[in-house]
Amino acid sequence: DSGVTQTPKHLITATGQRVTLRCSPRSGDLSVYWYQQSLDQGLQFLIQYYNGEERAKGNILERFSAQQFPDLHSELNLSSLELGDSALYFCASSAADSSGNTIYFGEGSWLTVV
Amino acid sequence: DAKTTQPNSMESNEEEPVHLPCNHSTISGTDYIHWYRQLPSQGPEYVIHGLTSNVNNRMASLAIAEDRKSSTLILHRATLRDAAVYYCILRGNQGGKLIFGQGTELSVKP
Repeated sequence: DSGVTQTPKHLITATGQRVTLRCSPRSGDLSVYWYQQSLDQGLQFLIQYYNGEERAKGNILERFSAQQFPDLHSELNLSSLELGDSALYFCASSAADSSGNTIYFGEGSWLTVV
Repeated sequence: DAKTTQPNSMESNEEEPVHLPCNHSTISGTDYIHWYRQLPSQGPEYVIHGLTSNVNNRMASLAIAEDRKSSTLILHRATLRDAAVYYCILRGNQGGKLIFGQGTELSVKP
């Protein structure tokens, strides 16, 4: 158990809908990362927050947004969903964002868009 | 972020050592070398990381070349549970994110 909690574990929704994925980082970790993993794309970095502020942005679509709250939990909002958004979404956390810190991953949220 | 090169796949026999290579010829002086692994349908799992010196932990050892342009992850006795995709990632000070490549898919034969 990495200590990173993601909910829901599985989600099925229709095209055009909006969903919110939630992440609780390890206790005390200030940095949160979101990744997307689909069958044909591998692990893609989406976005990073550090202590409530956006720190880095990757290949995140405009239809997707995220935020980190004062209690450090984070949410990834996916809107106007398309079939291609079906993927496993991982949240990860680390104590800080320096290069020597370890990043711990959650078990992921499976999103299926039908 | 500097790039790493790994073999696409490797095979090992159970209870034998496994050496997983990684080339990173464009590594910068402040880049840490991180190794993660991912079992099917699970989140990536931290294995080990290092900067210059060789590192050991309960899971594996990391051998870093003197010029830091390559490294090797060593699993001392492979088990069936070690079958996974192993990722070698350079992590610099420009941001904490990990950028995953294709990794090496390790299969372990009984």
